[in-house]
Amino acid sequence: DIQMTQSPSLLSASVGDRVTINCKASQNINKYLNWYQQKLGEAPKLLIYNTNNLQTGIPSRFSGSGSGTDYTLTISSLQPEDFGTYFCFQHNSWPLTFGSGTKLEIK
Amino acid sequence: EVQLVESGGGLVQPGRSLKLSCAASGFTFSNYGMAWVRQTPTKGLEWVASISTGGGNTYYRDSVKGRFTISRDNAKNTQYLQMDSLRSEDTATYYCARRSNYGGGFDYWGQGVMVTVSS
Repeated sequence: DIQMTQSPSLLSASVGDRVTINCKASQNINKYLNWYQQKLGEAPKLLIYNTNNLQTGIPSRFSGSGSGTDYTLTISSLQPEDFGTYFCFQHNSWPLTFGSGTKLEIK
Repeated sequence: EVQLVESGGGLVQPGRSLKLSCAASGFTFSNYGMAWVRQTPTKGLEWVASISTGGGNTYYRDSVKGRFTISRDNAKNTQYLQMDSLRSEDTATYYCARRSNYGGGFDYWGQGVMVTVSS
């Protein structure tokens, strides 16, 4: 199974900050990497698919990059509504696997 | 608007069965692969099973193979997860998810349904 290691697990940042979250796969996942945001009691919401494609309706302050085993989600200017937990997800090979999550708190 | 609504969760004893349903609306259900994903506070998000558009291809994580069965009824716009021989470690919130048509993983999720396996 492909292990997805996310860092940091907890992140506290201020409105307007540039924030990055990292995800490292245990093997090459060929850019089949998604990022999801989840708020308490809600379903995950797709932000970025296949490394760097912004899902429809998602603000352009969210972006993704990476290749091979290393991937990054960037929020260019943090907004109050961006709090929540962020997960990476690989859909390159079975079994599909998720990162353990990054909890983003707004200072 | 895409909507996925899960039902069928609840409290069940170890070794017993439960069947989850996911009613889809707002899109042409038969054109999309579907899946079930579960979440617990300790294990996080785990993909459980996937099914192709016509139902002919199914995929499972190892820990549920032989116990869980994913299926769909395209005439009813509904997918199912039959869960047999349930174990305490199957306790989780189960989400129905739609597989995107552009190879982008899961693009829409339901609100989730809780399954508790306990005596």
